[in-house]
Formats: sequence, structure tokens, C-alpha cells
Amino acid sequence: GAGVSQSPSNKVTEKGKDVELRCDPISGHTALYWYRQSLGQGLEFLIYFQGNSAPDKSGLPSDRFSAERTGGSVSTLTIQRTQQEDSAVYLCASSFLAGVFDTQYFGPGTRLTVL
Amino acid sequence: QKEVEQNSGPLSVPEGAIASLNCTYSDRGSQSFFWYRQYSGKSPELIMFIYSNGDKEDGRFTAQLNKASQYVSLLIRDSQPSDSATYLCAVILSGSARQLTFGSGTQLTVLP
Repeated sequence: GAGVSQSPSNKVTEKGKDVELRCDPISGHTALYWYRQSLGQGLEFLIYFQGNSAPDKSGLPSDRFSAERTGGSVSTLTIQRTQQEDSAVYLCASSFLAGVFDTQYFGPGTRLTVL
Repeated sequence: QKEVEQNSGPLSVPEGAIASLNCTYSDRGSQSFFWYRQYSGKSPELIMFIYSNGDKEDGRFTAQLNKASQYVSLLIRDSQPSDSATYLCAVILSGSARQLTFGSGTQLTVLP
């Protein structure tokens, strides 16, 4: 079956511009996570959605970052006024539930470069 | 102390040997442990998960968990050059919102 999909695969933007990154989870998965992976910081959690519950935003690095999930499926991560330190690979993952024993499957990622 | 620690490597083993990858974690209440493989330029791919003390085998891979020592490892038997990748240990910490906390990864090279 189809895995997690993300778009675009690559995004180059200028400092100060806004960007939107999209994630389409595996069909039937209720939990969706955003992570980012950068050279200096490794792989770090950003935000988590579970069903219709309020998202856990505890990993967002600043208020320039926001995310929404429409209809319990597709999610969009928005970065406003991008900075060079936002350059990273943004990874989306989904799991069937959000239990402590559920496994997360990652999409291919979006490589963001801020010039 | 980092919440999840791995030796960054690089670790090199000859083809056919056993590769041993280690990970320690700080949160004694953690219950779920995962190993992901990441090829250069690709996203993490789930290899194994383990929840109970002891060994769990899947093909050439064996995950070992020792909660008393807060230690989880991954053994790769009969290592192949195609196993060359970065291996990420991930833990769901107690009290978290179910997100994965990752170690920094161990780079493995299997030499033909």
C-alpha cells in the first residue's frame, strides 16, 4: 500500500519568505508527527496530531512554525519569515494509533534550503 | 546527559561479520524502543521494535533490551555491504506525547 507522502521533495527559498510543507499520512493512520533533521541537531520532534485532539506543539522551535491537519488526514507545516537556521530536512511520520507501542513510518522528507 | 545516546562511530565490519550497535537511554520509565536504518539522503526506515526485556529476532537482525541497565542493542548477523547506513536508536520517553526521541545515530560500514 501507499506509504507516507510529502511534498515538495525539495524547496529553496529566500530568507524572510514563508513556506508550506505538505504531508499525506498512510491511509487509516490517526497519528501524525513532524520531525526535522539537521546536521547540527540530529532528528528532533516538532509537533504531533492525534485524531481530532489538540496538537502537541511542544517541539516547535519558535512561533514562526505552525501546523494544521485538515479532516484528520493531510497536514501542512508552515514556516513564516524563514531563517537560514531553518534549513533542514523536514520529515513526517504516521502511526495507526498513538499508543506507546505503535510504530511510526516516515515519509521521504522535504529538504528545505533557506538562502 | 542526553536522553538517548549512541556511539557515533563510524563502525566498520567485514562482510559476513556480526555488527553490534549500542544505545543507552536515561528515562527508566521508557517502554518502547525502536531501531531505524537511514541510508544517505533517505528517510529513516523501521527495522525493529522491542518492548520487553530480552532478545527479539527478525531474520539477520536481533534487538536486545535490558531495562535494568537502560540499554538496547541491535545485532546484525552476516553483515552485507547493503547494510552500510546510519542506524538510529529511538525511544518513546515516559510522559511524552508519543513522539520518538532519537540518538545521534551510528554510521556502519560493511567492507566487502
